[in-house]
Amino acid sequence: SQKIEQNSEALNIQEGKTATLTCNYTNYSPAYLQWYRQDPGRGPVFLLLIRENEKEKRKERLKVTFDTTLKQSLFHITASQPADSATYLCALGSNSGYALNFGKGTSLLVTP
Amino acid sequence: DTAVSQTPKYLVTQMGNDKSIKCEQNLGHDTMYWYKQDSKKFLKIMFSYNNKELIINETVPNRFSPKSPDKAHLNLHINSLELGDSAVYFCASSQDQAWQGIYGYTFGSGTRLTVV
Repeated sequence: SQKIEQNSEALNIQEGKTATLTCNYTNYSPAYLQWYRQDPGRGPVFLLLIRENEKEKRKERLKVTFDTTLKQSLFHITASQPADSATYLCALGSNSGYALNFGKGTSLLVTP
Repeated sequence: DTAVSQTPKYLVTQMGNDKSIKCEQNLGHDTMYWYKQDSKKFLKIMFSYNNKELIINETVPNRFSPKSPDKAHLNLHINSLELGDSAVYFCASSQDQAWQGIYGYTFGSGTRLTVV
């Protein structure tokens, strides 16, 4: 069955460092991958989209990579800030699908 | 404000009751979705709906029924509520269909349903 796995444990990093979150998938051939941020009591907020033929995407302090051979996406937040503390979700979509499939998310805590 | 809005934000009800959750988007999107987020924070698709065409997820019990009076609204009706239905339900919309994958989803703030 299709599986989307993200770091199961929370990631704690110091302010100013780069946070790297991992999304691995199996039994899936996604056409694109998206990353979302979710704060407690709120709905997910879209951050970035990367397609299967793209290796890397950047947006301000965010960078996403997509390796279809390794079946993995990495999500980087450079110069992290306490305000970046949240849960980050990866989501995969296919050309034949009718909705995104989400991973369980990774909780990121950035301490001053 | 342009957004996806859901009501109510909290819903506490007894087993066996019937309840509805309403969702409205003023973004002009053609596609809307219902997702369920369980206690383990796992977001699972329930339904997607494009311009009044409903695509049903077969794993959703028949007690759940979406209703769309127009493309800006997608309501969720749940019959005979069970304890296991307790979760946070999110409505979302997107400018394109999922198979196109051009745009991200816009989510509502969620409805926390507690069945007692």
